[in-house]
Amino acid sequence: NAGVTQTPKFQVLKTGQSMTLQCAQDMNHNSMYWYRQDPGMGLRLIYYSASEGTTDKGEVPNGYNVSRLNKREFSLRLESAAPSQTSVYFCASTNTGLQERQYFGPGTRLLVL
Amino acid sequence: RKEVEQDPGPFNVPEGATVAFNCTYSNSASQSFFWYRQDCRKEPKLLMSVYSSGNEDGRFTAQLNRASQYISLLIRDSKLSDSATYLCVVNANDMRFGAGTRLTVKP
Repeated sequence: NAGVTQTPKFQVLKTGQSMTLQCAQDMNHNSMYWYRQDPGMGLRLIYYSASEGTTDKGEVPNGYNVSRLNKREFSLRLESAAPSQTSVYFCASTNTGLQERQYFGPGTRLLVL
Repeated sequence: RKEVEQDPGPFNVPEGATVAFNCTYSNSASQSFFWYRQDCRKEPKLLMSVYSSGNEDGRFTAQLNRASQYISLLIRDSKLSDSATYLCVVNANDMRFGAGTRLTVKP
């Protein structure tokens, strides 16, 4: 099993450009999450999907959209990137919800100039 | 005030030392608690869950004090491979992560 995979690993964008971060898991998990991690801030939840077909906002959703394409895939889209969105983005999944451990992908490092 | 607070460190200790990390949380409705480990430029990985009665996994001991809203992690006989950032994670309606405590174990 690959676990949780993310693409791309690195990306540089100019302000105003758009891009989609991809995430996939092969553990048949129901719930998937997108976090961002900034120095001194800890991980913060952007959006999550408790099950296929549902998505909900987390702590810091502004400037992002998500799509739960199917049970395996959960993408994060930046429609108009801003320098404040420079961060490391982690996707995670769990089987039944937040009471369980989360399995994280390797992360996407994004720099917005 | 942050929902989950940790001493950022860094903690620099010699091999074989015992080191303790503390974490406080503000949401009294929090239901589950975890310690994650994160190596430099890598993803977080679960180290251990934290149970009300306290729990131990080898050299690692986790304690929870609900009354004081406090969690601790004790590492005994530190190894070089323990060098990492340790994240305190608290779950109420969603997972809240501390900013992490950085540990460096030196020879």
